[in-house]
Amino acid sequence: AQSVTQPDIHITVSEGASLELRCNYSYGATPYLFWYVQSPGQGLQLLLKYFSGDTLVQGIKGFEAEFKRSQSSFNLRKPSVHWSDAAEYFCLGQGAGSYQLTFGKGTKLSVIP
Amino acid sequence: DAGVTQSPTHLIKTRGQQVTLRCSPKSGHDTVSWYQQALGQGPQFIFQYYEEEERQRGNFPDRFSGHQFPNYSSELNVNALLLGDSALYLCASSDPGQGGRANVLTFGAGSRLTVL
Repeated sequence: AQSVTQPDIHITVSEGASLELRCNYSYGATPYLFWYVQSPGQGLQLLLKYFSGDTLVQGIKGFEAEFKRSQSSFNLRKPSVHWSDAAEYFCLGQGAGSYQLTFGKGTKLSVIP
Repeated sequence: DAGVTQSPTHLIKTRGQQVTLRCSPKSGHDTVSWYQQALGQGPQFIFQYYEEEERQRGNFPDRFSGHQFPNYSSELNVNALLLGDSALYLCASSDPGQGGRANVLTFGAGSRLTVL
């Protein structure tokens, strides 16, 4: 079955520290991959997406993600976290031949001042 | 440029009742998807509408139905409400012209349904 797994439910980092949020996917072929952020009281916002080509993808707010086919991973990174980055982050996949986007369970990020 | 708008933002129903949620897509988008997000969970795909027809459906019972109108707006209907239907219902629109088949979704803020 097609699935997206985010192994970390909750991560806490200090402001200014680096961040990596993990995402693994299980699809028959390379899916389209996305990261979205959901802040309290706000809708889901697209951070970045991967369709094909360059495996290092740049997004908004200083985020980037790297697609690694050998590890079936699409991890999200940021070199220096700001307090405003505290939110819930979702990794999504869309398989070939499907219009359905499958969400991971999300990773809640807390930032310590 | 207005994004995706949903109404109502909050509503309370009792078991067995029926509910209708509404969604207006972002300008220029013609495809609407609906998701259910239970508390503390990731959103689950309900269905997607394109050209006024249900194009794909997730693993939800027939109590969940929808409609898309000629102006691309959409409704989600849930009949015979259960306590477990309490959730945030998210509408998202997309333009299939972006990246081919890939759905680059713009989400609304959601309609929070509480079933008592």
